[in-house]
Amino acid sequence: EAGVAQSPRYKIIEKRQSVAFWCNPISGHATLYWYQQILGQGPKLLIQFQNNGVVDDSQLPKDRFSAERLKGVDSTLKIQPAKLEDSAVYLCASSLGGQGISEAFFGQGTRLTVV
Amino acid sequence: AQSVTQLGSHVSVSEGALVLLRCNYSSSVPPYLFWYVQYPNQGLQLLLKYTSAATLVKGINGFEAEFKKSETSFHLTKPSAHMSDAAEYFCAVIRTDSWGKLQFGAGTQVVVTP
Repeated sequence: EAGVAQSPRYKIIEKRQSVAFWCNPISGHATLYWYQQILGQGPKLLIQFQNNGVVDDSQLPKDRFSAERLKGVDSTLKIQPAKLEDSAVYLCASSLGGQGISEAFFGQGTRLTVV
Repeated sequence: AQSVTQLGSHVSVSEGALVLLRCNYSSSVPPYLFWYVQYPNQGLQLLLKYTSAATLVKGINGFEAEFKKSETSFHLTKPSAHMSDAAEYFCAVIRTDSWGKLQFGAGTQVVVTP
């Protein structure tokens, strides 16, 4: 079974530039998550989709971050404009979905460096 | 509200020695609890999970964890550390009334010395 695919693996941009990350979840997984992991910290949920609807985006800085999940499959996360403090690893995860317990499978992440 | 606290951001163990990583949670409803491992430049991999069945949970790579409701703890142990156990470990919680939202602790970096 193929895992969660993310691209690119690494990205370096200057502050105020824009950047986009892509995620392809495991086939059949209804729930998709984007997490931000700042160096030395645990992952923090940015946004959670159930199919193509948003379940939770309370921690998403909506003035600069946006995410979409077209057709309930692939997802993109965009930052525009980027700030230095956005330097982090962005992890995508997916799970079968539904309420309660459902194991989340993580991609390898995209490491963003903002200079 | 819920939170996860991992005691100790760095742990150093000798090869062959006991690995003990501490995790305490706070939750107003019964939680599901998880331990994930992250190797350098990799995503997170599930080690084990507690889902209100047996309180002693066995996971992959010889790890196990015990859920203690009275202590609100879910500590991770491995009897004998191996060099390949060097990684970062995260404790996480899901509320049973949530939609699978994982809340992570800050992580514990494990270093294994020969």
